[in-house]
Amino acid sequence: AQSVTQPDIHITVSEGASLELRCNYSYGATPYLFWYVQSPGQGLQLLLKYFSGDTLVQGIKGFEAEFKRSQSSFNLRKPSVHWSDAAEYFCARKSTGNQFYFGTGTSLTVIP
Amino acid sequence: NAGVMQNPRHLVRRRGQEARLRCSPMKGHSHVYWYRQLPEEGLKFMVYLQKENIIDESGMPKERFSAEFPKEGPSILRIQQVVRGDSAAYFCASSPLGTGAYEQYFGPGTRLTVT
Repeated sequence: AQSVTQPDIHITVSEGASLELRCNYSYGATPYLFWYVQSPGQGLQLLLKYFSGDTLVQGIKGFEAEFKRSQSSFNLRKPSVHWSDAAEYFCARKSTGNQFYFGTGTSLTVIP
Repeated sequence: NAGVMQNPRHLVRRRGQEARLRCSPMKGHSHVYWYRQLPEEGLKFMVYLQKENIIDESGMPKERFSAEFPKEGPSILRIQQVVRGDSAAYFCASSPLGTGAYEQYFGPGTRLTVT
């Protein structure tokens, strides 16, 4: 079955430190992959997406993600975290049909 | 260009009542998706609609839940005879097309509380 796994339920980083959020996907075909961010009480905002081509994808707010087929991963990174980055982050993949499959999310806390 | 709009943002219903959640997609988008988010979980796909058509309802519970996207007006997710387990955030998303490499744009959600 198609699925997305986010192994880390909760991550805490210091402001200014680097960040990496993990995402693994199953199902072999080249997936359409996304990272979304959700602030408390809000909807989801798209950070970046990967369809094909360059495996390092740049997104908004200084985020990037790297697609690694050999590891079935699409990890999200940011070199220097800001306090405003505290939120819930969801990795998602889109099937060749219509469905989006979401991971269970990683909650990010940023400490001063 | 307004984003995806959902109303109400918060809805409280007693057990046994009906809940109606509305979603207006982004301008120019003809594809609507509904998701449910239970506390501390990711989003789970419920249904995918185009105007006047249900394309994929594989994620919808078999009973009490229905969805429509009429020719005119917003998409409606309807939950009849709500139970406490229906308490969740319900998100609507829209896209210009369904299949292929198109991201979905999400609304702010409706938070349903069943008392």
